[in-house]
Amino acid sequence: DAGITQSPRYKITETGRQVTLMCHQTWSHSYMFWYRQDLGHGLRLIYYSAAADITDKGEVPDGYVVSRSKTENFPLTLESATRSQTSVYFCASREMGSWLNEQFFGPGTRLTVL
Amino acid sequence: DAKTTQPPSMDCAEGRAANLPCNHSTISGNEYVYWYRQIHSQGPQYIIHGLKNNETNEMASLIITEDRKSSTLILPHATLRDTAVYYCIVRVGNSGGSNYKLTFGKGTLLTVNP
Repeated sequence: DAGITQSPRYKITETGRQVTLMCHQTWSHSYMFWYRQDLGHGLRLIYYSAAADITDKGEVPDGYVVSRSKTENFPLTLESATRSQTSVYFCASREMGSWLNEQFFGPGTRLTVL
Repeated sequence: DAKTTQPPSMDCAEGRAANLPCNHSTISGNEYVYWYRQIHSQGPQYIIHGLKNNETNEMASLIITEDRKSSTLILPHATLRDTAVYYCIVRVGNSGGSNYKLTFGKGTLLTVNP
């Protein structure tokens, strides 16, 4: 199916464990983004990528690692999960050349760290 | 990017027009006004954007004041499915360089009542 998908949709893990959240888009968009959403903070940018093998930090990158070996995938890894990383995570993508600059968001992953 | 101010919540009767205000008094000449919305438990969804002229699409209309210091998103015939948090975002609208980020505030929770 065309679009942007995230997996898993729900994840419960324990403090200290490594967790990887997956994001896949079928449009071949150049830009991809990871946001987290917490009550009282709205959406905050964690990391972004302008193209394969090009990534950079957003507002709240600490504790997260990303990679982008293929244009269509942008996994987010929590190397050692903490309770403060309990959140809803959204992946998004957009086309670099688009004048519209619209970002398309995935359905989100709800992560709980116990 | 310029900061925006929105009321935290609004109510609207089903079938009536919903007018959502946004103040962006520090907007620069090259900054666009974007609107996104987020229905509960879903990813944000693009609605509309504009620079200085009023804009209309199949979802909504955007009215920007002549001095560009404020704008109003209009949903002409609100339905129950329009209940969501609406985000007004101001940012530079070019498609390249580092101007890719969307900075989400807390938005306005619009509740459409039957």
